[in-house]
Amino acid sequence: SQQGEEDPQALSIQEGENATMNCSYKTSINNLQWYRQNSGRGLVHLILIRSNEREKHSGRLRVTLDTSKKSSSLLITASRAADTASYFCAMITGFQKLVFGTGTRLLVSP
Amino acid sequence: DTGVSQDPRHKITKRGQNVTFRCDPISEHNRLYWYRQTLGQGPEFLTYFQNEAQLEKSRLLSDRFSAERPKGSFSTLEIQRTEQGDSAMYLCASSLDSSGAVYGYTFGSGTRLTVV
Repeated sequence: SQQGEEDPQALSIQEGENATMNCSYKTSINNLQWYRQNSGRGLVHLILIRSNEREKHSGRLRVTLDTSKKSSSLLITASRAADTASYFCAMITGFQKLVFGTGTRLLVSP
Repeated sequence: DTGVSQDPRHKITKRGQNVTFRCDPISEHNRLYWYRQTLGQGPEFLTYFQNEAQLEKSRLLSDRFSAERPKGSFSTLEIQRTEQGDSAMYLCASSLDSSGAVYGYTFGSGTRLTVV
């Protein structure tokens, strides 16, 4: 079963615009991670935020975490056509395995 | 090779046949995970190993599914008497023990199974 739900399910933007994806989850977490998946391929780890952190940056990525609302957001700034992919949030809970959300499909048009 | 390798990339099989997939993790990684992903969904956890020990199995893993990691290195996932509902992408990932909870998992490219 999916631990997280992502919003929106699909997002279409122009190159240069920012893309924001949201993730809501159900139970307490140790950390939350974001992954990217190009069509028909495996997943690539993007960024991890621990439960005691509120914001983290990596290049054009910014992740926030609000444990009181059980939600996280991923912001991709100055998007490029190469950012077109599905993005998944995933949680590590007490059971020490990743549980994934439902994903957001991002399309960046040139 | 520093990545996670999965073989084959694609498998088409007739309903009722048995199939076996292989995963070669990053050599120094102790933990190995199997996930299943259907179209438009996120990956769903199936099972994981720490070294050769299978520590957890999902309820999704019916008795037709079996996974092994005999020497704590590569792993195999076998599906017996395949059904059309088994059609999915099967993903393998590995991590260094608890660092997988810190630095993330490394995924292979997956094996896409089509049962006809």
